[in-house]
Amino acid sequence: EPEVTQTPSHQVTQMGQEVILRCVPISNHLYFYWYRQILGQKVEFLVSFYNNEISEKSEIFDDQFSVERPDGSNFTLKIRSTKLEDSAMYFCASSTRETQYFGPGTRLLVL
Amino acid sequence: QKEVEQDPGPLSVPEGAIVSLNCTYSNSAFQYFMWYRQYSRKGPELLMYTYSSGNKEDGRFTAQVDKSSKYISLFIRDSQPSDSATYLCAMKEAGGGADGLTFGKGTHLIIQP
Repeated sequence: EPEVTQTPSHQVTQMGQEVILRCVPISNHLYFYWYRQILGQKVEFLVSFYNNEISEKSEIFDDQFSVERPDGSNFTLKIRSTKLEDSAMYFCASSTRETQYFGPGTRLLVL
Repeated sequence: QKEVEQDPGPLSVPEGAIVSLNCTYSNSAFQYFMWYRQYSRKGPELLMYTYSSGNKEDGRFTAQVDKSSKYISLFIRDSQPSDSATYLCAMKEAGGGADGLTFGKGTHLIIQP
């Protein structure tokens, strides 16, 4: 069964550094998403992406964040100048329309 | 305001029991409702998807939506220890793929063997 994959599974970085989280969505899906889950808190929507542009973004997704689909298979989330509060689990998801399928997540720890 | 409330539990029941998990929401514009299962430190796994009001059944799982009460439920019959996980409700307003999901905090379910 096709699934969303994410790399790396864990990432440790120093405050102020840039990180890139990578995702390979399910191959026939057209919509791509990033969510985050701070430990003990809700899963929160960051951004959706369709047809090579952002469709919707939450108030969390500020200028520190950017997304890109650099080729036909990868979907990336870049976090510039990381802060301590960016420490969280980041999930990629993809869908054809209504039903979103999630990857296993990347655990980001900012020190 | 997009807000979804869900009792975090833990909810502990004996194996074989019927489990009822619930969410309430305040935004009457929500039309699409999902239930996800999340094992510790893993990604959410889609269990059920329902549009608007009504019931949907899939094996041991039944999802119910009552839009008039802004209340959704997930029932698990013949619960198994492998059902032990956190169950997340999620919802969105519009059709199409652009909308992000609004999640509840999740209910931690423990099925005792």
